[in-house]
Parts: sequence; structure tokens; C-alpha cells
Amino acid sequence: GAVVSQHPSWVICKSGTSVKIECRSLDFQATTMFWYRQFPKQSLMLMATSNEGSKATYEQGVEKDKFLINHASLTLSTLTVTSAHPEDSSFYICSALWDYYEQYFGPGTRLTVT
Amino acid sequence: QQPVQSPQAVILREGEDAVINCSSSKALYSVHWYRQKHGEAPVFLMILLKGGEQKGHEKISASFNEKKQQSSLYLTASQLSYSGTYFCGTVQLGNQFYFGTGTSLTVIP
Repeated sequence: GAVVSQHPSWVICKSGTSVKIECRSLDFQATTMFWYRQFPKQSLMLMATSNEGSKATYEQGVEKDKFLINHASLTLSTLTVTSAHPEDSSFYICSALWDYYEQYFGPGTRLTVT
Repeated sequence: QQPVQSPQAVILREGEDAVINCSSSKALYSVHWYRQKHGEAPVFLMILLKGGEQKGHEKISASFNEKKQQSSLYLTASQLSYSGTYFCGTVQLGNQFYFGTGTSLTVIP
């Protein structure tokens, strides 16, 4: 199956700083990537849809100025959490759309803001 | 918009069967099923497309009722490795993808 990587796997940062998370499709080109956030014992919540070469589409309630998404190439999308606060601590997962219907997920990034 | 799954949690003994249901209030174009182990990303299991085409795992099957906007995942002869949280995911109008509320499944010896 297709492989998607995420970096870093785990990050701790101080409140007020920014954190960048990378999502790469390693063996296929992905025009569309998705970013999700998951709190403990909850489902994955779609944050935004990232399309290569265009602006991301954010879900209602997700601050686009706080969660900056850039999809500069067909294999890389980045999520930057700006001015992070403790309530932003979560498990962030990206996925890449393959074959139009199938999503392949990255391993996730656990963000802890102190 | 988020699909609702039932049951919320289920415990099975090895070899028993289980059914997990997924229901949406919006029109569905496809239904995906995933399993997630604790601390890991979801793993794709199955996709069901509007019109009846189905792909997926040999020992796990699913149905998709377009009119009722429901899907069910069938796990037969469960194994210990089946333990995890199962999510359905639905593609809705506008190609937005939403995960269901999740079903925790535990298989015990």
C-alpha cells in the first residue's frame, strides 16, 4: 500500500511558539491531503483539506490564521500551529488521497504545549 | 455532519462475530471503514461506493444502504488482533470527509 510519513512524531513546545508538522506521500503523488486532529478517546476531526497549488479549505470552527497549511508540491503538505497554547495539545494526523477514494494516513504527530 | 456509530463499545471472545453500524444524516457518496490501535494512525479496511462496488479485507465485510444512509461492518470469527477502535468515514456532498463517532472493540481470549 501507499506510504505517508509525518515529521516529527512527537513534539513539546512552549506556549506562544510555533510548530511545523510535515506530511509526505513517499511513493505516490497526492493532489489532496487532509489534516485531522484527535483528542484522547475521541474521533478524528477534519481540520482542513489541502489541495496542491491552491489555498486549503478549512472546516467550520478551525482558525485558518492559527493553523497554517501549505501544500507546495504533490508530495508535501505542512501544518504550522502558530502561537501554540496548551489547548492545542493533541494528536495531529495527515492523510493523502490516493486513487480518488482511498486515504492513506501518516503515523501522526503528538503535540504537547507547555 | 459527523456519522453516528453503534454500539459505542463491544467486548467479544475470540471466534465470536460482531456488527458495527454507521448512520449519517447527510447523503453519502461512499463509506470507508478504518481500524485504529491506541496511539497509532487509522488503518484502511474497506470502502463502499455508491452503486454497490465494494473493496476490502477478506475476513471483514460491509454493506452500504444508500437510501437509509447507513453502513454496517461485519467481523466474523474475531481474532485478538481485531481489537481497536473502528471508525466509519463518509464522503459527503462537496467531497468533505468525516469520521464517525467510533466503536471500541475488545477481543478477549
